[in-house]
Amino acid sequence: SAVISQKPSRDICQRGTSLTIQCQVDSQVTMMFWYRQQPGQSLTLIATANQGSEATYESGFVIDKFPISRPNLTFSTLTVSNLSPEDSSIYLCSGTPGGAGETQYFGPGTRLLVL
Amino acid sequence: DQQVKQNSPSLSVQEGRISILNCDYTNSMFDYFLWYKKYPAEGPTFLISISSIKDKNEDGRFTVFLNKSAKHLSLHIVPSQPGDSAVYFCAASIKGTSYGKLTFGQGTILTVHP
Repeated sequence: SAVISQKPSRDICQRGTSLTIQCQVDSQVTMMFWYRQQPGQSLTLIATANQGSEATYESGFVIDKFPISRPNLTFSTLTVSNLSPEDSSIYLCSGTPGGAGETQYFGPGTRLLVL
Repeated sequence: DQQVKQNSPSLSVQEGRISILNCDYTNSMFDYFLWYKKYPAEGPTFLISISSIKDKNEDGRFTVFLNKSAKHLSLHIVPSQPGDSAVYFCAASIKGTSYGKLTFGQGTILTVHP
């Protein structure tokens, strides 16, 4: 398994600003993923982050809005840019200690409120 | 296109009885299925998984059943405990792909009454 931490745990931001969320894993993981959970909804994958390459974004998510960094095998950041109230969500990162398609372990999430 | 569906938004059971949570999927390429439990203000916690080569996997009080022909899986919790009250998500992936991304259902809120 893997223990994943996220910072910040919650934040309140003004419209038009940006928020960078950090994700730290206690062991090296092959794959890291970023998800969004909007109020009352399920988890939706934003992008897959691999070390040393650009993130792969899902349909409906673009790099300009959600830039991601993956500098090493234990760390990743997600930035939510040009915030609007519609970005108010919980943002979660996950990692797979095993190979692709193995069990993903999740961080506690970052609760974002945009005013 | 909702490829993973949990049609019951909520389930209420008495402590000590069985909880059965259901999940249906439409993509026949899915070959790995997982159940997660989520408490408010926490991230999802992995519970149990099953590969498509099996039809049952058991871990303590938790058993997952997979019916590939019906594209249906279920999670059985026996006996149910009040601490099991949470949102349960089923998820599916294709192990052979290079990313193994998860597709989640909408979740089922389980309430176990003392």
